Amino acid sequence: SQQGEEDPQALSIQEGENATMNCSYKTSINNLQWYRQNSGRGLVHLILIRSNEREKHSGRLRVTLDTSKKSSSLLITASRAADTASYFCATDGNAGNMLTFGGGTRLMVKP
Amino acid sequence: DTAVSQTPKYLVTQMGNDKSIKCEQNLGHDTMYWYKQDSKKFLKIMFSYNNKELIINETVPNRFSPKSPDKAHLNLHINSLELGDSAVYFCASSPRPSAPLHFGNGTRLTVT
Repeated sequence: SQQGEEDPQALSIQEGENATMNCSYKTSINNLQWYRQNSGRGLVHLILIRSNEREKHSGRLRVTLDTSKKSSSLLITASRAADTASYFCATDGNAGNMLTFGGGTRLMVKP
Repeated sequence: DTAVSQTPKYLVTQMGNDKSIKCEQNLGHDTMYWYKQDSKKFLKIMFSYNNKELIINETVPNRFSPKSPDKAHLNLHINSLELGDSAVYFCASSPRPSAPLHFGNGTRLTVT
């Protein structure tokens, strides 16, 4: 099964609203990362949060990490139509520290 | 310049054939990977290759084999293709394990 699982699987909002996506994982980690994938393209790294960090910001992105609950959230504030994409979390808690991805949240931002 | 490039972008072939997908990165990274993304968008790690050390996801059939002629290249060979191999295959690289990945744009493989 996937190490990370995102929730919800799909999210539809209006431009200007905030979007929150959640990720749960199963094993201990060194870091957790969020990626974005536009249709027909490869994934693009957004932000990395280490296991000893609780919150991190990058522009309109805010990531939180709760290692006691083995969960993370990605908040996109003041969403734009261009934010429409799939968002994935990835963790490194396995042999060889290979990143394992969840199934992603498909975000649609309506103009 | 594209950082991680893979070819071909599309590959259509028949069951039983053998095919290869090429991947090159010009980032100077030490670690390269292959991922498989199925029709439901789930991404599964297949291989990691770092300093000539190959780490294989044990669930990957041995019909799949990575080959790295040098640090900048990690090609994927697939023997005896099956219908279930149809997916998008992504190559990625990173400076070290657990570091952020740089992905190629994928190869859509269709087995008929």
